[in-house]
Amino acid sequence: DAGVTQSPTHLIKTRGQQVTLRCSPKSGHDTVSWYQQALGQGPQFIFQYYEEEERQRGNFPDRFSGHQFPNYSSELNVNALLLGDSALYLCASSPLGYEQYFGPGTRLTVT
Amino acid sequence: GIQVEQSPPDLILQEGANSTLRCNFSDSVNNLQWFHQNPWGQLINLFYIPSGTKQNGRLSATTVATERYSLLYISSSQTTDSGVYFCAVGAGTYKYIFGTGTRLKVLA
Repeated sequence: DAGVTQSPTHLIKTRGQQVTLRCSPKSGHDTVSWYQQALGQGPQFIFQYYEEEERQRGNFPDRFSGHQFPNYSSELNVNALLLGDSALYLCASSPLGYEQYFGPGTRLTVT
Repeated sequence: GIQVEQSPPDLILQEGANSTLRCNFSDSVNNLQWFHQNPWGQLINLFYIPSGTKQNGRLSATTVATERYSLLYISSSQTTDSGVYFCAVGAGTYKYIFGTGTRLKVLA
């Protein structure tokens, strides 16, 4: 049983560019959440998707958007990248409302 | 919103020592998890423990929901236990709120 997978592993972008990160949930999980983890800090909740809709959103600007596909996989899009968007982006999947399992993350560097 | 505090922030142990990590939260929760983040950033599930006590090998955890705290016990620590330990709580909503973590270093 494959766990949560994320791609790409690492990414380097320039300020002002746009980026798309991808996540495939653990088998049997229908809910995907995205988190941002800055260096030396705990993960911060960005948003959660369930039944292809954004169910809840954290304190992040509209530059951060997402999508969930019918197979429950998900994308995180960030527009107009800022230096402060450099972070580890983590995807978590779960059966709705229960234990979350995290992927290995995508490390984004904005130069 | 809920505040999550973890203590101690840093911990250095000799191999074989025992330790207790604490997580305090400011309001009632219905989900609580402990994670170990390895040096590569992977969050590894240790316990899903909104209440009660669980044990898994050298690790055990207790959550006293009525008093708003959870404890993670590590016995006979090994160098591979090094990393950052996070407590994350959920309270009626779908997001998890993470604490600031405890950075553990186990010396050989």
